[in-house]
Amino acid sequence: QVQLVESGGGVVQSGMSLRLSCAVSGLRFTGSGFHWVRQAPGKGLEWVAVISDDGTETYYADSVKGRFSLSRDNPKSTLYLQMSRLTAEDMAVYYCVRDRAGLRYLDNWGQGTRVTVSS
Amino acid sequence: QSVLTQPPSVSAAPGQKVTISCSGSSSNIGNNYISWYQQLPGTAPKVLIYENDKRPSGIPDRFSGSKAGTSATLGITGLQAGDEADYYCAAWDTSLSEFLFGGGTKLTVL
Repeated sequence: QVQLVESGGGVVQSGMSLRLSCAVSGLRFTGSGFHWVRQAPGKGLEWVAVISDDGTETYYADSVKGRFSLSRDNPKSTLYLQMSRLTAEDMAVYYCVRDRAGLRYLDNWGQGTRVTVSS
Repeated sequence: QSVLTQPPSVSAAPGQKVTISCSGSSSNIGNNYISWYQQLPGTAPKVLIYENDKRPSGIPDRFSGSKAGTSATLGITGLQAGDEADYYCAAWDTSLSEFLFGGGTKLTVL
């Protein structure tokens, strides 16, 4: 079955960097775009970024633009979210999610990885 | 403040019907597909409705979606205790080049 498994979360100091990974299996990785969506404690869902199936296009939420970078390694069926200059506002559970039908909807969510930013 | 506006909470008794609204603009709901997500406590969200009114396999027909202009509605009939969850609408915004989520609506089954 389709699996998206995030890793790399943890505790990081404010201002530092962290890289999240998402290992994908059970689907044709190269045929799919992928998003990252985050959820701060007790808050709603916030879209973070998306990468196209071939990796040539990426889009970012204003709140992370210039600090986060999304990439993919197709031979490894893995996504990477490089996060820099982290602040308390970035503290959240980060979900890796498959894009369907060209930004029409999201399905196949991972279980999430928690990022805690300490001061 | 989310660009897509949902009521913070709705409630109804078991067996009743409830609707959740989602209001946006021409750059998102008005010209792109809307989708709805259910997040049960402590779990990852899952898609309930996609492309405005389609249900993925496994989603019961008690759940329905509709869209009119720049607004959309999620309907749930025959409410069950297990439907207690947070519900989110979402759509791509062509002007912002961002995938937007509504602020979420907490459904309470009384």
